[in-house]
Amino acid sequence: EDQVTQSPEALRLQEGESSSLNCSYTVSGLRGLFWYRQDPGKGPEFLFTLYSAGEEKEKERLKATLTKKESFLHITAPKPEDSATYLCAVYYGGSQGNLIFGKGTKLSVKP
Amino acid sequence: EAGVVQSPRYKIIEKKQPVAFWCNPISGHNTLYWYRQNLGQGPELLIRYENEEAVDDSQLPKDRFSAERLKGVDSTLKIQPAELGDSAVYLCASSLEGGLSGSAGELFFGEGSRLTVL
Repeated sequence: EDQVTQSPEALRLQEGESSSLNCSYTVSGLRGLFWYRQDPGKGPEFLFTLYSAGEEKEKERLKATLTKKESFLHITAPKPEDSATYLCAVYYGGSQGNLIFGKGTKLSVKP
Repeated sequence: EAGVVQSPRYKIIEKKQPVAFWCNPISGHNTLYWYRQNLGQGPELLIRYENEEAVDDSQLPKDRFSAERLKGVDSTLKIQPAELGDSAVYLCASSLEGGLSGSAGELFFGEGSRLTVL
């Protein structure tokens, strides 16, 4: 069964304490992997697209990487404003393509 | 540039009542999505449009849910009759690319419509 699994479900960090979020996937014909940020009461906000193994993207304190089986979202020296739920989604092959989301990792950064 | 606009933001109804949600996508975005998101879960696709055509409605519960996208712009999602299990946030999203383009997963979401069925 095609699926996307994110871990951990929740992560609590102190401000400045770096860590990583994981997204593993089992799909055929990956066309792209996407990271989103979702704040409470808001819709998800697009962060990154990764297309192939070895690719990396960075934005401020966030860095996303991709292997053949999983992606990591590294958070360096996080700040309280980085607190949010981070969602991973994969777009994979089919006659029209399919986009499926993981359940997300809820990140809390305490000052 | 205006983002994806959804209304209403909140709706509380009794079970068996009808409800409708409206979405205006970003100008020029031909692909439109309706997702349902339950608490603590990721968004789940209900229906995807390429212009006016529904290209993926396999997850739409067609006995009670319907959707339309007139003139390939605005879209409405209707539930009739609503059930207790329909309580969720209904998200609309649009994207510039669709089909098999790798960037088709770069979605822009509205703020969602939170439905509570009593």
